[in-house]
Amino acid sequence: AQSVAQPEDQVNVAEGNPLTVKCTYSVSGNPYLFWYVQYPNRGLQFLLKYITGDNLVKGSYGFEAEFNKSQTSFHLKKPSALVSDSALYFCAPEGGYNKLIFGAGTRLAVHP
Amino acid sequence: EPEVTQTPSHQVTQMGQEVILRCVPISNHLYFYWYRQILGQKVEFLVSFYNNEISEKSEIFDDQFSVERPDGSNFTLKIRSTKLEDSAMYFCASRTRSGGAYNEQFFGPGTRLTVL
Repeated sequence: AQSVAQPEDQVNVAEGNPLTVKCTYSVSGNPYLFWYVQYPNRGLQFLLKYITGDNLVKGSYGFEAEFNKSQTSFHLKKPSALVSDSALYFCAPEGGYNKLIFGAGTRLAVHP
Repeated sequence: EPEVTQTPSHQVTQMGQEVILRCVPISNHLYFYWYRQILGQKVEFLVSFYNNEISEKSEIFDDQFSVERPDGSNFTLKIRSTKLEDSAMYFCASRTRSGGAYNEQFFGPGTRLTVL
């Protein structure tokens, strides 16, 4: 069965510090990989994606993600967190017929 | 910037009633999806739709569910006889392709369905 693991329910970080939100997945083939962010009472906003090529991909709002094929991981990172980054983050590899398989989400809390 | 829109934002219905959730995907997109998120749980895939037919559906998408693209702009999800457990946030998404690769899915703001 295809699955996504986001092992941390919540990540707390001080503003200005680097952040990492972890994701590992179990999906057959070489899936496209996505990160989405959800702010309160809002839909899902696309952050970044990995399709092929460089293992480090850059996305919106200064976020980047590192793909590791041997570990089937796709961790989200940002060098310097902002309070406004506080939100719910979802890792979502793509399964068959282009459906997204979502992780449980990780709540990022950035403290001033 | 183009966006996916959904109506209504909140729908309250009685168990056993039919509901139709409406979505207007981004105009040049060809692939359409419905997902749902039960409160406190992960987002789950329901169905994908391309070229006027279902590409894939999950086990959640049983005979009570149907999708339709009745005209060139709307994409609807119908639940024929709602159950309490259908209460959830329903998200519509659309995407296109460029250069042979699929682009990211763009999500609407969601419709919160409450079944009483």
